[in-house]
Amino acid sequence: QVTLKESGPGMLQPSKTLSLTCSFSGFSLSTSGMVVSWIRQPSGKSLEWLAAIDWDGDKYYNPSLKSRLTVSKDTSNTQVFLKITSVDTADTATYYCARVTMGITDWGQGVMVTVSS
Amino acid sequence: DIQMTQSPSLLSASVGDRVTLSCKASQNIYKYLNWYQQKLGEAPKLLIYYTNSLQTGIPSRFSGSGSGTDYTLTISSLQPEDVATYFCQQYNSWWTFGGGTKLELK
Repeated sequence: QVTLKESGPGMLQPSKTLSLTCSFSGFSLSTSGMVVSWIRQPSGKSLEWLAAIDWDGDKYYNPSLKSRLTVSKDTSNTQVFLKITSVDTADTATYYCARVTMGITDWGQGVMVTVSS
Repeated sequence: DIQMTQSPSLLSASVGDRVTLSCKASQNIYKYLNWYQQKLGEAPKLLIYYTNSLQTGIPSRFSGSGSGTDYTLTISSLQPEDVATYFCQQYNSWWTFGGGTKLELK
């Protein structure tokens, strides 16, 4: 059974760096073709793809946010991380990590992050 | 950037109705189009991938079609549990999502 779970700070101040962790089980990111992605959703709004990392360590970023994003994974291939620098109130959202196969097939429950002073 | 436009933004229909949701891309996305269902307070769920392939476990009343820039999700007979917001997503060039169609019961 594939499960993913996001964790993060809950709330942080503008201009700080947001650090998120995705812990998953039921699959290995070292398996050829495997991809884990980060997607966010402000309350009541649509979804925005942020970044992805694949089994080979290749990284992919939303071009509009690329300068602020860093995605990485741990050496055991059971966690993926996302850092967003210089956050502001527009970064307030629920952040999801997800496994990608034919489409975004498995999603975490999401973690809500509020940026506020 | 490829923009995805969904219509309508809100759709009211009755149980048993045939429902059609539309998604239009700003350029040809060569059928690289997925559909997701999101119920209130839940993460999205993949319904359809590559325009018309039904994800495992999804009821056959859901179907997808389209090509080029225009795509459609059809629910052949609306059920109460289908009340949700539906999003399309293109993956021809990076990934972008449509604004969503909220489906409610009349």
